[in-house]
Amino acid sequence: NAGVTQTPKFQVLKTGQSMTLQCAQDMNHNSMYWYRQDPGMGLRLIYYSASEGTTDKGEVPNGYNVSRLNKREFSLRLESAAPSQTSVYFCASSGGFSGANVLTFGAGSRLTVL
Amino acid sequence: GENVEQHPSTLSVQEGDSAVIKCTYSDSASNYFPWYKQELGKRPQLIIDIRSNVGEKKDQRIAVTLNKTAKHFSLHITETQPEDSAVYFCAASRIGTASKLTFGTGTRLQVTL
Repeated sequence: NAGVTQTPKFQVLKTGQSMTLQCAQDMNHNSMYWYRQDPGMGLRLIYYSASEGTTDKGEVPNGYNVSRLNKREFSLRLESAAPSQTSVYFCASSGGFSGANVLTFGAGSRLTVL
Repeated sequence: GENVEQHPSTLSVQEGDSAVIKCTYSDSASNYFPWYKQELGKRPQLIIDIRSNVGEKKDQRIAVTLNKTAKHFSLHITETQPEDSAVYFCAASRIGTASKLTFGTGTRLQVTL
């Protein structure tokens, strides 16, 4: 099993450009999440989807949109990228045998906005 | 909402020594406290967790203690090894609400030879 797969691993954007980060999990988990990780800030939740068909804002949602395409896939979109969105983005999922509380993370996507 | 503070931000120990990382939380309703380890350039991975109905949990060289009254919990690593070098994150939430998991800011542990 691949677990949680994110693409792309690296991306450089110019201010104002848009892009979508893709995430897919093959663990039949109900819940999926997008976090950003910045030095000294820990992991901060951007958006989450408790189940297929639902999405909710997390701690830092401004400038982002999400789509829960189906049970497996949860994408994060930056409509107009800003330098403040330079970060490492992690997708995660939870549920199934590992339990509702345990997060399984993807490998991360490093985004630089110039 | 929940606020989790983590100390120290960096910690350097010699191989074989013990390491202790401490976290405090603000929401007395929180009852689930996981610890994640993130090696350099890798994804965070759960290493141990504790629920508020127990005061201590051990798994080989790592242990977590919880003081509900003081609202703090700690990670203890004994007989540290170079492969323990990583960033460690504590977190807190109510059981079943992973969407409300609040992370600390992380501790970079360096185990020197």
